[in-house]
Order: sequence, then C-alpha cells, then structure tokens
Amino acid sequence: GESVGLHLPTLSVQEGDNSIINCAYSNSASDYFIWYKQESGKGPQFIIDIRSNMDKRQGQRVTVLLNKTVKHLSLQIAATQPGDSAVYFCAESDYGQNFVFGPGTRLSVLP
Amino acid sequence: NAGVTQTPKFRVLKTGQSMTLLCAQDMNHEYMYWYRQDPGMGLRLIHYSVGEGTTAKGEVPDGYNVSRLKKQNFLLGLESAAPSQTSVYFCASRSETQYFGPGTRLLVL
Repeated sequence: GESVGLHLPTLSVQEGDNSIINCAYSNSASDYFIWYKQESGKGPQFIIDIRSNMDKRQGQRVTVLLNKTVKHLSLQIAATQPGDSAVYFCAESDYGQNFVFGPGTRLSVLP
Repeated sequence: NAGVTQTPKFRVLKTGQSMTLLCAQDMNHEYMYWYRQDPGMGLRLIHYSVGEGTTAKGEVPDGYNVSRLKKQNFLLGLESAAPSQTSVYFCASRSETQYFGPGTRLLVL
C-alpha cells in the first residue's frame, strides 16, 4: 500500500506485482510531462514522457497515463523488479523552458 | 559521449567561503539548468540558460550566480556560502527532455 512518511510518500509492492505511482500537477497550461527515476546517490534518469495531446503512452514495462481534466499523471510499472526500487519524480513543463518537479515517491520492492 | 558531467563530486565549505560548481555537456544542447535537491523534496530550479551568453532566474536564485560563456559549460557560483546552501546540486541539459549529471554534494559548515 501507499503511505505518507516523514519525508516522501512510499509505495511498497511485492516483486512481480504491478506498481502505480501517482502525481498531481498544478499548471493547466503544462503541455509536456516526464517521469524520472532516481537511485540513491545518482542523478534523475529519464523513464518516459507524454505530451498533452495524448492520454497514454507505453514504453518497455512502463506506461504513463495523463488525465488533463483532473490534472493527474500516473506511472505504471509492470512486473516490478528489485531494480525498480528508487524514488520516482514527475515533472511538468509549459512550452519546454521550465520544468517543475513533484516531491517524489519512493518505490520499495519487497522480495 | 560523456553526457552531463559535474565537478566536484563533493565539497565542504565554511560559512562565507566561495566556490564554483562546473557543469559540462557534450550533446550540443542549448538549454542548461541548475537544480538543488534537499531531503524529502523534489528538485528546485536555481537558474537556467537557454543558450550561450544567456541566463535566467529560477525558483530559488538568491545566493547564487551563474555564467554561460561557452555553450557546453554552465557554472554555478556561491559568493558567500551559508549553511542553508547545504544540498545536492544537479545540473541538466536538454534537447527535448532533460539529461542530468551525477550531482555535487555540498556541505556548508
């Protein structure tokens, strides 16, 4: 399940299960959205992006869903693996100049 | 192709000291960014540049200065470091999406 810790929301899932990480964005003018993965001690790494003219985009084991009506973005990870354990950030951008990042969600994969 | 590199990786400063963080990218990107990341928080934009010779303020610019004299380099300066500037600093450059460097961990005592 998902819980709010002292610092970051944490999502714990069993290995092999699907993970869904959610993000609410604030700017209705944002037209570009990105999900990043950040492992401990490293910089954020691009996972997948989506433009506002789409509502779904699939990559390898990952899917991003965009609901502009409620300003909500989600990242689905299929068959979650131990290597997926990390902090996941969503980011929004309007016209590609500034990127605003969410606070992040820590994904913990249980054996 | 090294991507985005940052130097130094780690630095300890005393309050009032100055330093410069260097970011370099070899992807010929126009846009470059400096962020800071504090525990339990996302990335906050300090300054950014849309091309050589240009800079602009981000969300938290106070106490920092930047320069973009060459397209491949983006420098972040702290003129008089304060403990509140203890953080991990990330540089990024972008074509369509952003590519991040490995970060610089700064501790101000």
